[in-house]
Amino acid sequence: QVQLVQSGAEVKKPGASVKVSCKASGYTFTSYGISWVRQAPGQGLEWMGWISAYNGNTNYAQKLQGRVTMTTDTSTSTAYMELRSLRSDDTAVYYCARNYYDSSPFDYWGQGTLVTVSS
Amino acid sequence: QSALTQPASVSGSPGQSITISCTGTSSDVGGYNYVSWYQQHPGKAPKLMIYEVSNRPSGVSNRFSGSKSGNTASLTISGLQAEDEADYYCSSYTSSSTLRVFGTGTKVTVL
Repeated sequence: QVQLVQSGAEVKKPGASVKVSCKASGYTFTSYGISWVRQAPGQGLEWMGWISAYNGNTNYAQKLQGRVTMTTDTSTSTAYMELRSLRSDDTAVYYCARNYYDSSPFDYWGQGTLVTVSS
Repeated sequence: QSALTQPASVSGSPGQSITISCTGTSSDVGGYNYVSWYQQHPGKAPKLMIYEVSNRPSGVSNRFSGSKSGNTASLTISGLQAEDEADYYCSSYTSSSTLRVFGTGTKVTVL
């Protein structure tokens, strides 16, 4: 069965960076892409970007351009999302989700990773 | 890119039908049939309920249905059950540089 298992919770100081991992299993990793979606406490969902696990092509949300980098390691079927220059409003649960193309539905989701940014 | 507009809350009694709207523009909902809906229970990850406006993934109850007219998409839950109480989000592909947008979210309460 398809599973996306994310790394554990993180606490970071403002200005630092965080890197969240998402390990996929149960399907051919390079046949799909991975999107990252975040949810601030008590708020709605926000799409952050998408990466093709086939060729590494990326599309990032405009507001995060320059601060976010998404990568994959096909040898371990793992996707990564790095966010730099963290601010307090980056405090959120970060989800990875599988989707075929950047226009495709998010059909499987990871369990979420809480990132807290606090001094 | 602004979020799609959803009602903050919708409620209904068990067995009733409810409809959640999702209003966007011709650059997102109205321009593409790439509208999907997600159910999220508290503390859990979202779950795909409808994709490409009206298609149900395998395993999703046929009590859930989707449609679209112009710039507004809708999710209808028929035969409302206690387990349907959750937050619901729509999502659309968009022609803006931010390729995907979510709705503001709707809390469904079963009375």
